[in-house]
Amino acid sequence: NAGVMQNPRHLVRRRGQEARLRCSPMKGHSHVYWYRQLPEEGLKFMVYLQKENIIDESGMPKERFSAEFPKEGPSILRIQQVVRGDSAAYFCASSPNGVSYNEQFFGPGTRLTVL
Amino acid sequence: AQSVTQPDIHITVSEGASLELRCNYSYGATPYLFWYVQSPGQGLQLLLKYFSGDTLVQGIKGFEAEFKRSQSSFNLRKPSVHWSDAAEYFCAVGARAGTASKLTFGTGTRLQVTL
Repeated sequence: NAGVMQNPRHLVRRRGQEARLRCSPMKGHSHVYWYRQLPEEGLKFMVYLQKENIIDESGMPKERFSAEFPKEGPSILRIQQVVRGDSAAYFCASSPNGVSYNEQFFGPGTRLTVL
Repeated sequence: AQSVTQPDIHITVSEGASLELRCNYSYGATPYLFWYVQSPGQGLQLLLKYFSGDTLVQGIKGFEAEFKRSQSSFNLRKPSVHWSDAAEYFCAVGARAGTASKLTFGTGTRLQVTL
């Protein structure tokens, strides 16, 4: 059973470009979470999605960031017009349901560098 | 709002020595508590979790943690550290109610093991 997959693993963008990060949850998992880890910091929650629904986006910046989890295909975190401050590791996690005591399984992360 | 404090940013121990990593949380009720480990350039792996019952929790790789409600703590321990334990360790708290399934992480403790 493959784990959570994220691609690309490393992404380099110039200021003003768009970044698209993909996350395929574990088989049978329908809940996806995105977290951001800035250098020397812990992970910060960004958004929680189920298939075709955003459940909690309280951690998402109001502008330039969006996320989706379509009925088919991976979850996508999109960052438009990237700035240097967006440079970070972005982790996706999945769980079989949204219950808080269930383990969230993390992917290896996408490391975004903005030049 | 829930929060997690890991007061030790960096700890160095000798191989074979005992280890205790501190974690304090702030939450209005009894939380779900987790310890994750992150090796360099990798995603997070769950070491152990607490959600009810016995306050001493056993995890993988010989780790254990004790939930102390009176101290709002969930410290991670290992009786004898191995060089392969060198990594970053994150304590996290999960909400119990509703759809708030996001995890709130501490800033992490980086463990260095000397031979």
